[in-house]
Amino acid sequence: DAGITQSPRYKITETGRQVTLMCHQTWSHSYMFWYRQDLGHGLRLIYYSAAADITDKGEVPDGYVVSRSKTENFPLTLESATRSQTSVYFCASIPGRTGFDTEAFFGQGTRLTVV
Amino acid sequence: QQPVQSPQAVILREGEDAVINCSSSKALYSVHWYRQKHGEAPVFLMILLKGGEQKGHEKISASFNEKKQQSSLYLTASQLSYSGTYFCGTARSNDYKLSFGAGTTVTVRA
Repeated sequence: DAGITQSPRYKITETGRQVTLMCHQTWSHSYMFWYRQDLGHGLRLIYYSAAADITDKGEVPDGYVVSRSKTENFPLTLESATRSQTSVYFCASIPGRTGFDTEAFFGQGTRLTVV
Repeated sequence: QQPVQSPQAVILREGEDAVINCSSSKALYSVHWYRQKHGEAPVFLMILLKGGEQKGHEKISASFNEKKQQSSLYLTASQLSYSGTYFCGTARSNDYKLSFGAGTTVTVRA
């Protein structure tokens, strides 16, 4: 199916474990983003990417790692999960053909709980 | 740096109007507006571009003051379906980062 999909939708992990959240889009959009959503903080940007092999830190990157070896995939890894990383994570993409004058498309979100 | 939204929350009765504001300390290329229902992903409403062009929802209006780097979203004659959390997202022309504000929760009551 065309679109942007995140997996898993729900994940429970233990403190200290490594966990990877997947994001896959079928449109070949240039720009991709990872956000975390916590009550009172809205959507905070973790990492973003302009193209394959081009990534940059957002507002809250500590404790997270990203990679983008292929245009369509943008996985987010928590190297050693902490309880403060319990959150809902959203992936998004923008075509990028003409800059940021088109909408961002969001995945359905991953609810991560660190116990 | 996240844009600043105000108010944090607003409660309306059906038919009433509301304004949500979004401001940035940096020069902006575009301002995006999204609405999110509980448990769902944000849904696109509108984009306002530097230079005055607007793209998006026909029933919701917005403005972009380039001099002040401020945008306002106008909810007119609110309906129950307008309830949700509204986010503004901002992008600058010299980078490819899209940052969102903390959101404004809108509750419309019958």
